[in-house]
Amino acid sequence: EPEVTQTPSHQVTQMGQEVILRCVPISNHLYFYWYRQILGQKVEFLVSFYNNEISEKSEIFDDQFSVERPDGSNFTLKIRSTKLEDSAMYFCASRAFRTGKSGNTIYFGEGSWLTVV
Amino acid sequence: TQLLEQSPQFLSIQEGENLTVYCNSSSVFSSLQWYRQEPGEGPVLLVTVVTGGEVKKLKRLTFQFGDARKDSSLHITAAQPGDTGLYLCAGANNNAGNMLTFGGGTRLMVKP
Repeated sequence: EPEVTQTPSHQVTQMGQEVILRCVPISNHLYFYWYRQILGQKVEFLVSFYNNEISEKSEIFDDQFSVERPDGSNFTLKIRSTKLEDSAMYFCASRAFRTGKSGNTIYFGEGSWLTVV
Repeated sequence: TQLLEQSPQFLSIQEGENLTVYCNSSSVFSSLQWYRQEPGEGPVLLVTVVTGGEVKKLKRLTFQFGDARKDSSLHITAAQPGDTGLYLCAGANNNAGNMLTFGGGTRLMVKP
């Protein structure tokens, strides 16, 4: 069964360093997302991406964050200067298309665990 | 801001018992998804409900979407230790890029 894949599975970084988290969404999907989950807390929406641009973003997704789809398959999340509070599990997700019952379903990757020290 | 409240937060039951998890909101959602999440892993989709009043069954799991599409429930019949895990509901809003609003989760433990 097709799946969303993420790398790295775990990264430890120094505060102030740049981090890039990578995702390969399901191949025929058109909508891409990043979510995060701080340990013990709810899964939170960060950003959605469609047609090579951001379609929605949350308050969490400030100027330190950016997303890119550099080629036809990868979808990346960059954190420019990491802070301690960025430590979380970051999930990439994708969805097929806008309308229709099956198109509503969002599939998640296994996550990238980021630890900022 | 749309919010989803899940209850109970924690549930510990004996094998063979039935249970219901609730997911409530004051907001209307275009669809609602239930996920199960294991520690250190991503949410794994169980079901998507789209139509108000819709009922879906997945073996011993029964999912219902409220008539007004503001609430949902997950009922597990004859729970087994393999059902132990974190269950998440998440509402989708077609008007907001289908972004998901997650509930806080219900951590279920089924004791043999």
